[in-house]
Amino acid sequence: DTGVSQDPRHKITKRGQNVTFRCDPISEHNRLYWYRQTLGQGPEFLTYFQNEAQLEKSRLLSDRFSAERPKGSFSTLEIQRTEQGDSAMYLCASSFGTRGIQYFGAGTRLSVL
Amino acid sequence: DQQVKQNSPSLSVQEGRISILNCDYTNSMFDYFLWYKKYPAEGPTFLISISSIKDKNEDGRFTVFLNKSAKHLSLHIVPSQPGDSAVYFCAASASRGSARQLTFGSGTQLTVLP
Repeated sequence: DTGVSQDPRHKITKRGQNVTFRCDPISEHNRLYWYRQTLGQGPEFLTYFQNEAQLEKSRLLSDRFSAERPKGSFSTLEIQRTEQGDSAMYLCASSFGTRGIQYFGAGTRLSVL
Repeated sequence: DQQVKQNSPSLSVQEGRISILNCDYTNSMFDYFLWYKKYPAEGPTFLISISSIKDKNEDGRFTVFLNKSAKHLSLHIVPSQPGDSAVYFCAASASRGSARQLTFGSGTQLTVLP
């Protein structure tokens, strides 16, 4: 039983470039979440999918951010025209059902130079 | 506006003693609370949870207490072991809507000294 997998683990990019991260949830989980964590803070909610439908987005998710979950399986998070303030750890979590525990991946650490 | 607060950034405890990590929340809509543990270079790992209809939940060495009137919860680890050294996050969610996204505190770094 594999856990939540995220790729890449680290990404270094220059300001203004586009980046895309991938998350593979636990196979039977229908809910998928994206969070962002900065140094010294806890994870902050970005967006949520139930199957392939994106049902909620945080105010933190600016127009430069877009997330997809085609066919309700893996998900991608794209950041366009990256800014230095986008530097953070991007965490993906998945769960099953309404009260399911969220299980997290190891995250993708983004550094924008 | 922090809805979940962990006011102690760090805590050091001797091996074998009790570790008590505290968490306060302000949003009265929160009805489900969780504790996660995080090691460096890993994602948060679920530890234990409690529903607002309970005031205590126990799982092995870990016990979570919930005081709804004070909007306070705590995690007790007895006995503490060096392998428990990690950052502990308190998280909360509300049943309104379907998302059940988690709101996290800023974490407490626990160090268990041998």
